[in-house]
Amino acid sequence: EVQLVQSGAEVKKPGESLRISCKGSGYSFTNYWIVWVRQMPGKGLEWMGIIYPGDSDTRYSPSFQGQVTISADKSISTAYLQWSSLKASDTAMYYCARRGIILGQGMDVWGQGTTVTVSS
Amino acid sequence: DIVMTQSPLSLPVTPGEPASISCRSSQSLLYSNGYNYVDWYLQKPGQSPQLLIYLGSYRASGVPDRFSGSGSGTDFTLKISRVEAEDVGVYYCMQALHTPSFGPGTKVDIK
Repeated sequence: EVQLVQSGAEVKKPGESLRISCKGSGYSFTNYWIVWVRQMPGKGLEWMGIIYPGDSDTRYSPSFQGQVTISADKSISTAYLQWSSLKASDTAMYYCARRGIILGQGMDVWGQGTTVTVSS
Repeated sequence: DIVMTQSPLSLPVTPGEPASISCRSSQSLLYSNGYNYVDWYLQKPGQSPQLLIYLGSYRASGVPDRFSGSGSGTDFTLKISRVEAEDVGVYYCMQALHTPSFGPGTKVDIK
């Protein structure tokens, strides 16, 4: 079964660092892009950035450039989203999703989401 | 940045009846290859989003044929031929031609 399994919920304080993960299985991890999507409480979806684990080619939405870092370790089929200094406004659900290698194929497999709560 | 808008933002539906959601982009999403780079996603209550339509009109694997996508350029439509109770949730369009961006979502619920 093709699936993306994300790490568990996190509760952090402002200023702390955090890395959440997204592990792919059931398919060739290096042949698909991984996208990160944010959903703030009660709000819509926001596209954050994308990485191709095959060569770590990474692109960010301008809204998130410099705010987060996306990376991947293809040896363990895992992508990461990390923050160096969290803010309360980072409180959200974060989803990873798989996108085909060809632009336009859509995000066809999604992780279950990771809830991040940042509060003092 | 490309801005995506959707209408209506709320859509009460009757099971068995058709439903339609409109999506507009601030720039054309029709590429020179003839494809429109628009996806449609459904986020059911308490679930992760799921892909319904890609490239404007292609149904994703496993998506019932009551869902269809159409449109070109800047105007797109998602149609449900006969709504079922399981179709409730928030529907998002997303442009994939430039830095991807989602529409605000259309909440579909049962009347």
